[in-house]
Amino acid sequence: EPEVTQTPSHQVTQMGQEVILRCVPISNHLYFYWYRQILGQKVEFLVSFYNNEISEKSEIFDDQFSVERPDGSNFTLKIRSTKLEDSAMYFCASDYSSATGHFGPGTRLTVT
Amino acid sequence: SQQGEEDPQALSIQEGENATMNCSYKTSINNLQWYRQNSGRGLVHLILIRSNEREKHSGRLRVTLDTSKKSSSLLITASRAADTASYFCATDPQGGKLIFGQGTELSVKP
Repeated sequence: EPEVTQTPSHQVTQMGQEVILRCVPISNHLYFYWYRQILGQKVEFLVSFYNNEISEKSEIFDDQFSVERPDGSNFTLKIRSTKLEDSAMYFCASDYSSATGHFGPGTRLTVT
Repeated sequence: SQQGEEDPQALSIQEGENATMNCSYKTSINNLQWYRQNSGRGLVHLILIRSNEREKHSGRLRVTLDTSKKSSSLLITASRAADTASYFCATDPQGGKLIFGQGTELSVKP
């Protein structure tokens, strides 16, 4: 069964640095999402992406965040200048309809 | 307002017992999903129940949905130590993004 994949599995970065988290959604999917989970807390929606544009974003998704689907297969989340509070698990998800069901294994981001 | 609140927050049972977790939500929904997460790991999709369904089964899992009470329950029968994990409900109120609850931490003791 096809799966959503994410790289890297763990990223350590210094405060103020830019990071790019990568996701490869399932190939026939049309809707793409990023979520994050701060340690010990619930999973929070960040952004949804459809038809090559952002369809919805949360308050967390401020100007420091951006998403891109650069080549028709990858889906990336960029954080321009990381803060300590960006440390979290970041999950990519995709689906062929707008009901999210397929999550990737996550990237653990640690900002020091 | 909080959407998808689970209770209990933590549940500890013996292997072989049944585990029941509840989820309440506030707005109308298209569907409700349950996920499992082992400590520090990814989300595993367990089951989706649509708003026009009342009950759904998958193996040892049974999910019910009561839209009049805006609540759902997840029953795991004959629990195993390997079921130890956090369980989250997630609602899809508008189509698209999911809103997750805080989760129930289930511990199954051998």
